[in-house]
Amino acid sequence: QVQLQESGPGLVKPSETLSLTCSVSGGSISTYYWTWIRQSPGKGLEWIGYIYYSGSTNYNPSLKSRVTISLDTSKNHFSLKLGSVTAADTAVYYCAAVLAGYCSGGACYRGIDYWGQGTLVTVSS
Amino acid sequence: DIQMTQSPSSLSASVGDRVTITCRASQRISNYLNWYQQKPGTAPKVLIYTASSLQSGVPSRFSGSGSGTDFTLTISSLQPEDFATYYCQQTYTTPWSFGQGTKLEIK
Repeated sequence: QVQLQESGPGLVKPSETLSLTCSVSGGSISTYYWTWIRQSPGKGLEWIGYIYYSGSTNYNPSLKSRVTISLDTSKNHFSLKLGSVTAADTAVYYCAAVLAGYCSGGACYRGIDYWGQGTLVTVSS
Repeated sequence: DIQMTQSPSSLSASVGDRVTITCRASQRISNYLNWYQQKPGTAPKVLIYTASSLQSGVPSRFSGSGSGTDFTLTISSLQPEDFATYYCQQTYTTPWSFGQGTKLEIK
């Protein structure tokens, strides 16, 4: 049973970089696509992107110019950086895991099996 | 990008009712369609994957069907714990996308 826990600042100033970390326990790093999703009242649920243990990443084109997802296998965690934030980036951010064995590239036969509890990030001065 | 459209956006029903929620994709996605349930203050929980496969531990009153562009989630007999918001999601191609949600409320 995979357990995920997000951590990071709850308040970020406009134009700065949002940084979050997701700690992973109970699962093999090589088994999943490690994923970030956010949820805001205005835009609903939005997939941000994922990273695989090989280092390959896949980002939402709408955010690609501002997003970096990285994986630290030695610490069993993965991270999200979102640059040049505005108020529109205010959301609850979830880390999540998708079984990689059910995926071929970006096509996955399973949904998102595991989610963190979510962390609210507010962008405000 | 593939747009996912759910209907209705909200629904009032009673315990014991049979309820159906629909989800339409803007292009064909085979059966790469998942359904989630979300309760306030918690993360979504997967109910159905690959359009009709029941996630382990999910009650059998939940079922899914469809292929191509049109999908349905059916709850055969509503229970008090089923009042929540439901989302569809396509994982056919990135960017993965979600429907806007259907809020199921007690009548």
